[in-house]
Amino acid sequence: DQQVKQNSPSLSVQEGRISILNCDYTNSMFDYFLWYKKYPAEGPTFLISISSIKDKNEDGRFTVFLNKSAKHLSLHIVPSQPGDSAVYFCAASSGTYKYIFGTGTRLKVLA
Amino acid sequence: NAGVTQTPKFRVLKTGQSMTLLCAQDMNHEYMYWYRQDPGMGLRLIHYSVGEGTTAKGEVPDGYNVSRLKKQNFLLGLESAAPSQTSVYFCASSGNEQFFGPGTRLTVL
Repeated sequence: DQQVKQNSPSLSVQEGRISILNCDYTNSMFDYFLWYKKYPAEGPTFLISISSIKDKNEDGRFTVFLNKSAKHLSLHIVPSQPGDSAVYFCAASSGTYKYIFGTGTRLKVLA
Repeated sequence: NAGVTQTPKFRVLKTGQSMTLLCAQDMNHEYMYWYRQDPGMGLRLIHYSVGEGTTAKGEVPDGYNVSRLKKQNFLLGLESAAPSQTSVYFCASSGNEQFFGPGTRLTVL
């Protein structure tokens, strides 16, 4: 039972354009959501998070949107840069420090 | 400040052998985690710890044991390795966010 789903295994975007990565969840108890970025042969690194009391959080080129009624969150990267090419994981937690991860989306930004 | 470190980085085992993966963090975090990453499966939680001397099962605990004798260390043990345990293993610790180690690539033949 996959509680956190990333249905697009890969995404290609032109440099300078917007990248939109999507994540769906099924557990309505999740109240904190995170995005991680992972380069090959490295551990994931934290990118941005959002609490369920918000519907948007922005940090530089990265914005996360949360739609609680649809149980959907998205990560927007604008403008996309070649260095953004990586695997992106969304994760969710429900008031504890236990995180459930999605399967990841591989983003390729084309120069 | 090294963050989260893992040893070893690579290991090849034969079926039935045992080994221990070591994770260390220097951020004084209470929470520590062991994940495995497999193609198409994302990161799956094996075991986690909410403090020194405590451990709990995650999503895929079978075949693994853990210990947290010291706050800064979290050990993952495989008593009798199986080919299904071939994976990349990540340790993490958390305060308000999780910090991950660089991973251990384990192959079981």
